[in-house]
Amino acid sequence: ILNVEQSPQSLHVQEGDSTNFTCSFPSSNFYALHWYRWETAKSPEALFVMTLNGDEKKKGRISATLNTKEGYSYLYIKGSQPEDSATYLCAFKAPGALNFGKGTSLLVTP
Amino acid sequence: NAGVMQNPRHLVRRRGQEARLRCSPMKGHSHVYWYRQLPEEGLKFMVYLQKENIIDESGMPKERFSAEFPKEGPSILRIQQVVRGDSAAYFCASSPSRGAGGESPLHFGNGTRLTVT
Repeated sequence: ILNVEQSPQSLHVQEGDSTNFTCSFPSSNFYALHWYRWETAKSPEALFVMTLNGDEKKKGRISATLNTKEGYSYLYIKGSQPEDSATYLCAFKAPGALNFGKGTSLLVTP
Repeated sequence: NAGVMQNPRHLVRRRGQEARLRCSPMKGHSHVYWYRQLPEEGLKFMVYLQKENIIDESGMPKERFSAEFPKEGPSILRIQQVVRGDSAAYFCASSPSRGAGGESPLHFGNGTRLTVT
């Protein structure tokens, strides 16, 4: 099983702050990189799927970038709101499995 | 348009019994993934199935665990002779056939929480 590392493990920011998290993954046999948002008591929901080196995706205040050559992806949240509080998971698609990192737990306080 | 349905939501088994977890993928999806979430850990990949085929079972313990996705009916994750260490939340996710290369996001069910007493 291929290692997917996420940092930081947890993050606490104030409402209005901008923040970013890192996902690192193996740079060989790359198929796709996924980001998911997982709120407490719910199931994970997809944010982005990226497949090409240099991909940038945006959804509202959240965006992500991808560097497959060096094996990392960043997720950015601009102007964090309390409703952004969740665990953010990245997942690396190899042939076969889609392997998840342990996630970054974000808490945004008013 | 129903999402991914998992049942039961909660399952309690005594040590040595069998646990059967069911997952009905979204309509039109032919790929199913099973994950296990242990306390303080993330989602651990167990098995990836296509209709009637196991594509990757590298994350599944060799003994006591099996999975199937028949042509008709839900995918089943079966745990024989359960032990306390099997207590966890088990999540199923599905994707369409065009997502075999990872270009489609997974849609998750709400999970089955297995407790072994």
